[in-house]
Amino acid sequence: DGGITQSPKYLFRKEGQNVTLSCEQNLNHDAMYWYRQDPGQGLRLIYYSQIVNDFQKGDIAEGYSVSREKKESFPLTVTSAQKNPTAFYLCASSIGAGVKVNNEQFFGPGTRLTVL
Amino acid sequence: QQPVQSPQAVILREGEDAVINCSSSKALYSVHWYRQKHGEAPVFLMILLKGGEQKGHDKISASFNEKKQQSSLYLTASQLSYSGTYFCGTDSISNFGNEKLTFGTGTRLTIIP
Repeated sequence: DGGITQSPKYLFRKEGQNVTLSCEQNLNHDAMYWYRQDPGQGLRLIYYSQIVNDFQKGDIAEGYSVSREKKESFPLTVTSAQKNPTAFYLCASSIGAGVKVNNEQFFGPGTRLTVL
Repeated sequence: QQPVQSPQAVILREGEDAVINCSSSKALYSVHWYRQKHGEAPVFLMILLKGGEQKGHDKISASFNEKKQQSSLYLTASQLSYSGTYFCGTDSISNFGNEKLTFGTGTRLTIIP
């Protein structure tokens, strides 16, 4: 079955530690995205990538970093510079590359990060 | 800037109708609608493209007024399964070439028997 996987589902870390969230897709999509979701604030874009080895900052990129070395994978690192990292993190993918008509985003199940 | 959704929350009895609005300050190329159940991933409902079309499937439909930079989602004869938070995601014309959406803050819909 094609889809997006995120791991782990729940993650606990001590304050000051970097942590990397995994996102893998087997949909052969070019575009991938990371969102942060806080209660009452909807989905806010952290980083996105439209093609391998390229990515752009979203609206709230400070304190986060990403890499896109493979088409299937788009890991997100939450660094110690992120002041309030506790949140629900969602990864998504879409066909991308200028496709506007059926460019729906497919979401992974999310990772709930709690920093203690 | 995030699109504004209204209402923020609504409670309906099964069988009643609801309208959820999404308004942007930017000229839009498309509007996406998603539904998210608590603790789960958002699920795609539909895309509306520039051109003012109306779309629908089953008892959920939507319209897009590009002049007003607004979209509305219509849920008729609501079912318990419609409960969840609805998000609009907008793709602005100035964003052409960048495949990204800006999501609204969501509308929480609760259907009671």
